[in-house]
Amino acid sequence: EIVLTQSPGTLSLSPGERATLSCRASRSVSSNYLAWYQHRPGQAPRLLIYDTSSRATGIPDRFSGSGSGTDFTLTISSLEPEDFAVYYCQQYGSSPPYSFGQGTKLEIK
Amino acid sequence: QVTLKESGPALVKPTQTLTLTCTFSGFSLRTNKMRVSWIRQPPGKALEWLARIDWDDDKFYNASLKTRLTISKDTSKNQVVLTLTNLDPADTATYYCARISVTGREFDFWGQGTLVTVSS
Repeated sequence: EIVLTQSPGTLSLSPGERATLSCRASRSVSSNYLAWYQHRPGQAPRLLIYDTSSRATGIPDRFSGSGSGTDFTLTISSLEPEDFAVYYCQQYGSSPPYSFGQGTKLEIK
Repeated sequence: QVTLKESGPALVKPTQTLTLTCTFSGFSLRTNKMRVSWIRQPPGKALEWLARIDWDDDKFYNASLKTRLTISKDTSKNQVVLTLTNLDPADTATYYCARISVTGREFDFWGQGTLVTVSS
């Protein structure tokens, strides 16, 4: 089983700042099948990024993904008030076929 | 517009069986490459994938829970049902259903989740 470790656990930033979230895998992620989700309290999680760097439909271009192998990054170039939420990474491929990181909480400083 | 909504009991007793229903709209499980999964999140813990059902009725389970899980679909009602047997307090979690994208690799639409507490 691939274990995904996200860091930091909590990130405190101000609107307008740049956010960098990390997701590290215990071994290489198959074909870089790595996705990112945003989860606001009381709402359904939302797919942001798939296949490491492809933005999902309707996702603003301030969200970008990068990485390969075992190290992946979600970057939010300039934080908007609605971006403060919990973010999860997810890999596909290794049994179980889907696994998630424990999340990074992005909070307003 | 794709939507999914989970329903089921909020409180169940240990050793009982949990039955959850995911009712969806905006797509059909009769359509090629449509798939729906269940995922749960215990309080303060990570998301855990549980099961998946495909348009062709293929089913996949998390190996750690396989003996306790059953997933099924009713295409006429646009519903997917998950049963989890022999409940334990460790099964207390928010349970989500989600559609899997046509690639099969990520979850492109989610329900808001339903909290299930296992307690006597």
